[in-house]
Amino acid sequence: EIVLTQSPGTLSLSPGERATLSCRASQSVSSSFLAWYQQKPGQAPRLLIYGASHRATGIPDRFSASGSVTDFTLTISRLEPEDFAVYYCQQYASSPQTFGQGTKVEIK
Amino acid sequence: QVQLVQSGAEVKKPGASVKVSCKASGSTFSGYYIHWVRQAPGQGLEWMGWINPNNGDTNYAQKFQGRVTMTRDTSLITDYMELTSLTSDDTAVYFCARDRREGWFDYWGQGTLVTVSS
Repeated sequence: EIVLTQSPGTLSLSPGERATLSCRASQSVSSSFLAWYQQKPGQAPRLLIYGASHRATGIPDRFSASGSVTDFTLTISRLEPEDFAVYYCQQYASSPQTFGQGTKVEIK
Repeated sequence: QVQLVQSGAEVKKPGASVKVSCKASGSTFSGYYIHWVRQAPGQGLEWMGWINPNNGDTNYAQKFQGRVTMTRDTSLITDYMELTSLTSDDTAVYFCARDRREGWFDYWGQGTLVTVSS
């Protein structure tokens, strides 16, 4: 199975700052079948990005993502207070689908 | 508005089984898959499998093969995930999620906490 490794584990930033989150795959993720989710405490994950770089419906344009093959990045250009959460990447190129272990973006 | 509404929290003893439901509303779910994902306390997300509600086809993660069964009651527009032979390691929040056959999950249920304790 494809193992996704996210880094850093925790990102301590202030509102207004830029956040850069990494997701590295143990094997090639074909056709950029990678998604990103945001999860807040006590809530279900929310889809942010699919197809490695396509924003889901209703997602603000401060969220962007890129990457291919084994290296993927989620960028939040200017952190808003509601962006402090845990972020997960997911690959759906091969079964079993797998998630990264998550990156927590916390307020510095 | 699309909604997936799950059944309430459960407390089970080791060795027992649990069946969690996920009812869809607000949109036709024709052509979609329903996946189940779980999250142990303080941990990440773990994919369990999917069901094609249209024909009942399923695909389970190998880890859960033999212990999980996903089914659909078409008339009730409700999907079910049953997990047997529970241990404390199965204590988690279980989510259902919709997949438009693209692989990513655009709508999620609110989650169902299953606690396994003697």
